Amino acid sequence: EVQLVESGGGLVQPGASLKLSCVASGFTFSDYWMSWVRQTPGKTMEWIGDIKYDGSYTNYAPSLKNRFTISRDNAKSTLYLQMSNVRSEDTATYYCTRTGRAPFDYWGQGVMVTVSS
Amino acid sequence: QIMLTQQAESLWISPGERVSITCRASQSLLYTDGKHYLSWYQQRPGQTTKALIYHASVRTDGVPTRFIGSGSGTEFTLSIEHVQPEDFAIYYCLQTLKSPWTFGGGTKLELK
Repeated sequence: EVQLVESGGGLVQPGASLKLSCVASGFTFSDYWMSWVRQTPGKTMEWIGDIKYDGSYTNYAPSLKNRFTISRDNAKSTLYLQMSNVRSEDTATYYCTRTGRAPFDYWGQGVMVTVSS
Repeated sequence: QIMLTQQAESLWISPGERVSITCRASQSLLYTDGKHYLSWYQQRPGQTTKALIYHASVRTDGVPTRFIGSGSGTEFTLSIEHVQPEDFAIYYCLQTLKSPWTFGGGTKLELK
C-alpha cells in the first residue's frame, strides 16, 4: 500500500525557516517524480514544485521558487520541502504527492503550517 | 499561466442523482500527442486526496465506473452517475500541460 507521511509542520514566526519531510512507503521511491502541493485555509489548492526521481531536476511555481527548495533522499525514501522567510500567506496544509501514470496519483494526509507572530 | 475555472462552488444533489462538474481552461489543454492534460481529484474529510481521472477521461486504478471524465479543448466535465453517499466531497481539476501546474477553485458536492 502506498503511503506518504508528512511531518515538520507547526506554528512558525514570520521570517523564519521550516523544513517539512515526507516519508514514502509501499513503492520504489527512487522511480517516481514527487511534488509538494499546498491548500490554504480557504481550500485553494496551489502547486509548489516537482522533483525528478533522481533529484537531478526541480521545477517550481514562479511565486515560490526564491523561498522554497525541494530535495529528496532516495536512500531514506524521503522528500523534503525547505521553506525560508515564511509569510502569513504561507499558512496552509502542505501535501506530499507522487506522480505515476496520473499526476499526483497519491497524496499524503498533509501537515499544517501556521505562520504567525 | 493557465487559469482553470470551476464555476460552481457548490452543487446540491440527492443520492442516486447524476451530477456534472465543469472546469474551463483559459487555453486549450490539448498537447501534440493528442492528449488533454486535465485531471480530476476528490477530497473527502479525513481521507487522503484521491486522483480520479487523468488525460481528461482516463480513470485511475480502482475508480468506480460511475465517475466519467469528458471534454476537450478548454471545456471539461466530471460526471458522477447515481451519486453515492461517499461521493459528497470537494472536486478539483488540475492542468499539467504548461508549468506552473494550476488547479481549479474546487466544487463541493453537498447533500440536498
